[in-house]
Amino acid sequence: DAGVTQSPTHLIKTRGQHVTLRCSPISGHKSVSWYQQVLGQGPQFIFQYYEKEERGRGNFPDRFSARQFPNYSSELNVNALLLGDSALYLCASSLEAGYFGETQYFGPGTRLLVL
Amino acid sequence: KQEVTQIPAALSVPEGENLVLNCSFTDSAIYNLQWFRQDPGKGLTSLLLIQSSQREQTSGRLNASLDKSSGRSTLYIAASQPGDSATYLCAVITGGGNKLTFGTGTQLKVEL
Repeated sequence: DAGVTQSPTHLIKTRGQHVTLRCSPISGHKSVSWYQQVLGQGPQFIFQYYEKEERGRGNFPDRFSARQFPNYSSELNVNALLLGDSALYLCASSLEAGYFGETQYFGPGTRLLVL
Repeated sequence: KQEVTQIPAALSVPEGENLVLNCSFTDSAIYNLQWFRQDPGKGLTSLLLIQSSQREQTSGRLNASLDKSSGRSTLYIAASQPGDSATYLCAVITGGGNKLTFGTGTQLKVEL
């Protein structure tokens, strides 16, 4: 079975532009979470979606939004890009919503560079 | 607010050495703790998950322990190999849901 897949792998944008990142979870997994990892730091939680509903949101501005589709894939959208949005964006999937925590499986990430 | 700290930030050891990576967290009310490996520029690979009711988990040359009351976990790597060179991250889940709070990682280099 394929693992978590993300597209694109790399992306270069300029300040003020908009970007859409995509994630396909492991087959059968219903929960998708998004993380931002700035160079030299640990990943920071952005969103969790389960069964197409938002289940958690981290401390990120409203420029960041996401959604989950009926096939459980997900998109992360970032508007009005800033230089500080340059990071590795990671998607993680898990079987369920994780009410008591469960193993999450991460994709390879999308490297975003904002110039 | 949960905070996770990892010490040391970087570690260099000769091949074959046994080593211990440390992780501490401020809020002991965790559901579980997970150790990950990250190769440069890559995603995260899950190594071990310890539920809050467990004391340790083992996988091959890796052993992770959890002392929830003191807010500490250790990852023990036996007989280290150059292929173990990577950044090791620990993360905890506090409260319901899947929100992982990560430490900043320990960058490990195993030299020939």
